[in-house]
Order: sequence, then C-alpha cells, then structure tokens
Amino acid sequence: EPEVTQTPSHQVTQMGQEVILRCVPISNHLYFYWYRQILGQKVEFLVSFYNNEISEKSEIFDDQFSVERPDGSNFTLKIRSTKLEDSAMYFCASSEISGAKNEQFFGPGTRLTVL
Amino acid sequence: GENVEQHPSTLSVQEGDSAVIKCTYSDSASNYFPWYKQELGKRPQLIIDIRSNVGEKKDQRIAVTLNKTAKHFSLHITETQPEDSAVYFCAALKWATNKLIFGTGTLLAVQP
Repeated sequence: EPEVTQTPSHQVTQMGQEVILRCVPISNHLYFYWYRQILGQKVEFLVSFYNNEISEKSEIFDDQFSVERPDGSNFTLKIRSTKLEDSAMYFCASSEISGAKNEQFFGPGTRLTVL
Repeated sequence: GENVEQHPSTLSVQEGDSAVIKCTYSDSASNYFPWYKQELGKRPQLIIDIRSNVGEKKDQRIAVTLNKTAKHFSLHITETQPEDSAVYFCAALKWATNKLIFGTGTLLAVQP
C-alpha cells in the first residue's frame, strides 16, 4: 500500500538556523498538508497546498514558514530562524481529493529539536 | 472559532470490555469526522470516518456515531484487545476546507 514518506526522521538544529523538512506524498494525490504535534499535545494544522499554491494556512504558519513543491514528487516545509518553541513532530499528509471525501494519509513524521 | 473537545483524556479498560470516546465540535459547517489511532512514536492512522449525511458507521469492532444537532460524535470499540492501546484522536473538517481540527486525544489502555 502506498505511504507518505518523510525525511529526516529526526532533525536537531540550533536556534536561529533554517531547516527544511521533506515529504514525498502518495503519487496520485493532489492535496498536501503539514501538521505539527508538540510533545504530548494534539495535532495542529499548519498549511494545505494544492496546484502549486497555498490553499489554507493557520495562525501558526507565519512568515517564518514556507512550503514548496520543488519537483513532481517532493513537498517541503522550510522553517527560517528556528525558535525553541518550534520543537515538535511535524507530519506531512496528502489526500487524493478535497473536502468531505478527502481521507488524509499521514507520514511518519520528522521530530524537530531546536536547541 | 473552530474547536473540538474530546473526552476522556485517559481511559483504562479490561480486555474484552467496550471503550467509548466522545467528541464535540463547535463549527456547525463541519461535515467530515475522522478518527485516528496513534501508537507511541508513530504516525496517526485513520481507523474510521463518518460524513455528515450518515448517523452511524461500523467496521468490525469499531463504530462511530454522529449527532449533528448536538454536534457530538463518538467512537465505540467493542471487545477491546491489548493492541487497541494507543492514543485516539477525533477530528472535524469544515465544509469547503481541507483543514482538520483535531481533538486533544484519548490515551486508551487495555489491560490484559
């Protein structure tokens, strides 16, 4: 069964550095998402992406964050000038279609630790 | 604003008993309600979902019910097994969006 994949599984960085988290969505999916989960807390929506542009974003997704689909398979989340509070598990997800029929499949996550 | 409340935060049952987890959503425009199971350190995995035109859905030992009037939906697991132990998240998706709003999670422990 096809799965969403993410790299790296764990990223450690110094405060103020930039990180890029990578995702390969399921190949026939058209909608892509990033969520984050601070340790012990609920999963929070960051952004959704369709047709090479952001379709929705949350209040968390400020100018520090950006997303890109640099080629036909990868979907990336860039965090500029990381802060301690950015430490979390970041999940990529994808869905074939949108709306109420859009089962979202999650990747295994990247654990980001900002020191 | 959009919010999903989930109860209880922890639930311990004996193997073979039933478990019920309840969620309440605030946005009446929500029309899709998935449930995810997350084992420690792993990705959330969809176990069942329900859409707003249906009141109940069942898949073997798990079932979900939806009360649109009260804006409640619940997960029911029967004949629980130790491998059901995990954190369960409910979520709601608003009509015409792709943003899942998650509940705070329920840690289910099934004691053998």
